[in-house]
Amino acid sequence: DARVTQTPRDKVTEMGQEVTMRCQPILGHNTVFWYRQTMMQGLELLAYFRNRAPLDDSGMPKDRFSAEMPDATLATLKIQPSEPRDSAVYFCASGLGTTLSNTGELFFGEGSRLTVL
Amino acid sequence: AQSVTQPDIHITVSEGASLELRCNYSYGATPYLFWYVQSPGQGLQLLLKYFSGDTLVQGIKGFEAEFKRSQSSFNLRKPSVHWSDAAEYFCAVVPMNSGGYQKVTFGTGTKLQVIP
Repeated sequence: DARVTQTPRDKVTEMGQEVTMRCQPILGHNTVFWYRQTMMQGLELLAYFRNRAPLDDSGMPKDRFSAEMPDATLATLKIQPSEPRDSAVYFCASGLGTTLSNTGELFFGEGSRLTVL
Repeated sequence: AQSVTQPDIHITVSEGASLELRCNYSYGATPYLFWYVQSPGQGLQLLLKYFSGDTLVQGIKGFEAEFKRSQSSFNLRKPSVHWSDAAEYFCAVVPMNSGGYQKVTFGTGTKLQVIP
């Protein structure tokens, strides 16, 4: 049963610490998204990759956040230094893009809940 | 800019009652339309999608949605709600001619509470 895998599921850290979240997209998917979900802001798109290349990271605070895809099986989202306002659930999703044969469905991981004290 | 509006933040229905969740979009052309469901502590799961053709689409778990071009709406319905349907529901749109760029815009979500 193919699914998106995210680690860690839960992370509690102190302000100023570095946090790295990892995502394994579904094998064969060529698009990867990072979303942040909070009660106040809902779902926010942080970054988008297609074929491992970053296409849109306009929603990501550049001074402390970075997203990469070292290879097709791993996407990372790093926060350095972390702040209490970064507390949220971070979701990774993968898909096959919008083409004549694909309609843009996304497959979500279960999320990484981050708490920054 | 494209936008998705879910006017109901929270809805409560009795088990066995019918359900309709509203979704309106603003976009220059008809986009691809989706409904996702998020159970507590879980990621989002696709319920159904509209691509083209029949404007009434069937999804998983007994849900259906009707695309109405004249109203720019894509409302989600279920004839008889089960307690396990309690979750948050998100409407989403993707531009049809995005050149492969899958920019997904999500609505703010509607939380469904089911009472006995």
